[in-house]
Amino acid sequence: EAGVTQFPSHSVIEKGQTVTLRCDPISGHDNLYWYRRVMGKEIKFLLHFVKESKQDESGMPNNRFLAERTGGTYSTLKVQPAELEDSGVYFCASSQLGSGSHEQYFGPGTRLTVT
Amino acid sequence: AQKITQTQPGMFVQEKEAVTLDCTYDTSDPSYGLFWYKQPSSGEMIFLIYQGSYDQQNATEGRYSLNFQKARKSANLVISASQLGDSAMYFCAMRENGSGGNNRKLIWGLGTSLAVNP
Repeated sequence: EAGVTQFPSHSVIEKGQTVTLRCDPISGHDNLYWYRRVMGKEIKFLLHFVKESKQDESGMPNNRFLAERTGGTYSTLKVQPAELEDSGVYFCASSQLGSGSHEQYFGPGTRLTVT
Repeated sequence: AQKITQTQPGMFVQEKEAVTLDCTYDTSDPSYGLFWYKQPSSGEMIFLIYQGSYDQQNATEGRYSLNFQKARKSANLVISASQLGDSAMYFCAMRENGSGGNNRKLIWGLGTSLAVNP
């Protein structure tokens, strides 16, 4: 069974540019989460999809961040325009629907560097 | 307020010895879950162990055990018989269950970097 995949693994962009990160969850996982780790700080929750619907987007930093999950399969996270403080590692995780399932399965992350 | 505290930025342990990584948490939700994840240098986040707030027994998974002290709000990870491959970052995380239902977001600590010496 394929795990959670993320693309790209690294991205270096200039301030003001646009970047789109992609996450492919484990097949059949309706829950999809985005997290971000900024250097020296805790991993922070960004948002949670259930299928194609945004369940909780309370962690999105500002309106420069746009997440989508069309069709309830893969998800994209677009940053437009990117700022220096957006640099960090963006993790995607997926899990099965239902409270009985505990584990969130993580992708390898996308390291974003804004210069 | 929801918070996870890991007070050990770095730890060293000799191969084959046991090590305890500290984690304290704060929540007002009576129903919650506690997780430990391992992040090796390759970057992926690997689930290690889970403890539910109503679980009577401490969780164990192979060489990993969770020392759950509910009154103290601590959930320390114990790794027995350390191996060189255990060198990694270790994160403690919490999920508040609220009124139940679907998975909830994880709240994370800063992590502890563990180095296992040969």
